Amino acid sequence: EDKVVQSPLSLVVHEGDTVTLNCSYEVTNFRSLLWYKQEKKAPTFLFMLTSSGIEKKSGRLSSILDKKELFSILNITATQTGDSAVYLCAVRKNYGGSQGNLIFGKGTKLSVKP
Amino acid sequence: DGGITQSPKYLFRKEGQNVTLSCEQNLNHDAMYWYRQDPGQGLRLIYYSQIVNDFQKGDIAEGYSVSREKKESFPLTVTSAQKNPTAFYLCASSAPGQGAGNTIYFGEGSWLTVV
Repeated sequence: EDKVVQSPLSLVVHEGDTVTLNCSYEVTNFRSLLWYKQEKKAPTFLFMLTSSGIEKKSGRLSSILDKKELFSILNITATQTGDSAVYLCAVRKNYGGSQGNLIFGKGTKLSVKP
Repeated sequence: DGGITQSPKYLFRKEGQNVTLSCEQNLNHDAMYWYRQDPGQGLRLIYYSQIVNDFQKGDIAEGYSVSREKKESFPLTVTSAQKNPTAFYLCASSAPGQGAGNTIYFGEGSWLTVV
């Protein structure tokens, strides 16, 4: 059975801290891994990763994929209160899979204290 | 602006009633999806459609129905058979193709509460 597991499920840090969010997966027909940030409503897209070892970076956020270990991390440096959100990891299967083509983890709830 | 529009944002339903959530997109995407999110849970796939007039059950389709008569529209009906319908519902769409640049785009969501 396909699964995506995120850890930790919740995390409380102080502004300025650096955090690492984890995502492991066991999915057949892997196509890509996506990270989303969800504050109150719709998830907003952060990164899509398809190749191992290539870091994607956007400001204070960065992410990398290890396809051998079936693992991805999302790093946030110098955290701010605006980073408080649920961070979702999802794995996209190749098109035409019988279960639809996106499998989500349960998310990591990040709370950044001033 | 291109995007996905869900309505209503908030909906209250009495037990035993069917309700329909609307999802419209003007992104010219072929594929559309409905997800359900419960507190502390990730998104779970209810139904998806890869093309007009065709749709497939996801992981938790029981108690739900959909239609895809137009490319732009993918309404979800929560029927009285759904025993625990109170949740946050997200509609999404994506473009097909083999390129690595495809992503999935979400609507703003609909909160359904059974009273």
